[in-house]
Amino acid sequence: EAQVTQNPRYLITVTGKKLTVTCSQNMNHEYMSWYRQDPGLGLRQIYYSMNVEVTDKGDVPEGYKVSRKEKRNFPLILESPSPNQTSLYFCASGRTAEKLFFGSGTQLSVL
Amino acid sequence: AQKVTQAQTEISVVEKEDVTLDCVYETRDTTYYLFWYKQPPSGELVFLIRRNSFDEQNEISGRYSWNFQKSTSSFNFTITASQVVDSAVYFCALSGLDDGGATNKLIFGTGTLLAVQP
Repeated sequence: EAQVTQNPRYLITVTGKKLTVTCSQNMNHEYMSWYRQDPGLGLRQIYYSMNVEVTDKGDVPEGYKVSRKEKRNFPLILESPSPNQTSLYFCASGRTAEKLFFGSGTQLSVL
Repeated sequence: AQKVTQAQTEISVVEKEDVTLDCVYETRDTTYYLFWYKQPPSGELVFLIRRNSFDEQNEISGRYSWNFQKSTSSFNFTITASQVVDSAVYFCALSGLDDGGATNKLIFGTGTLLAVQP
């Protein structure tokens, strides 16, 4: 089954404790991206990757890192999480950015 | 600048009523895509439609229909005979281009929460 898999689904952590949200797709897509969803703001792009080893900042990249060492995986790293990073996170992939498949989301709470 | 505006924050209707969700966009690009996504209470994002900027024909899919008007930069979504299962947040989105002209993201509106009462 074609899918984008994010883990974990829910995460509660404390300020400053490094964490990684994983994202994996099984559709051999070149493009992958991370979005965060906040009330009243919709979804905003954090980072994206057009292919392996090619990543670029989106609209709200501060406080986040990504890597694309292999095609299927695109982890989102928070080196020192802060409460303002409490949000719902979505990973997406596609042959291009014009037709995206979204993961189920990761609800992150930073205390 | 590219922008998507969904002015309706929340809409409440009674089952079987028709409802229209508004979407207005801004872009200087001549080629772009418009999208609608549904986010039910379970939280996932469900793709509904993608429309190319060169195709202004309205589209109907069952109880769903979309009205694309370039002249007013609008891409409105109508649900006919609404049902409780239609209750969700609906997002309109616009394709965003990088400096090289390639689509590198979707620009989302802030969403409209639709509540369909039985």
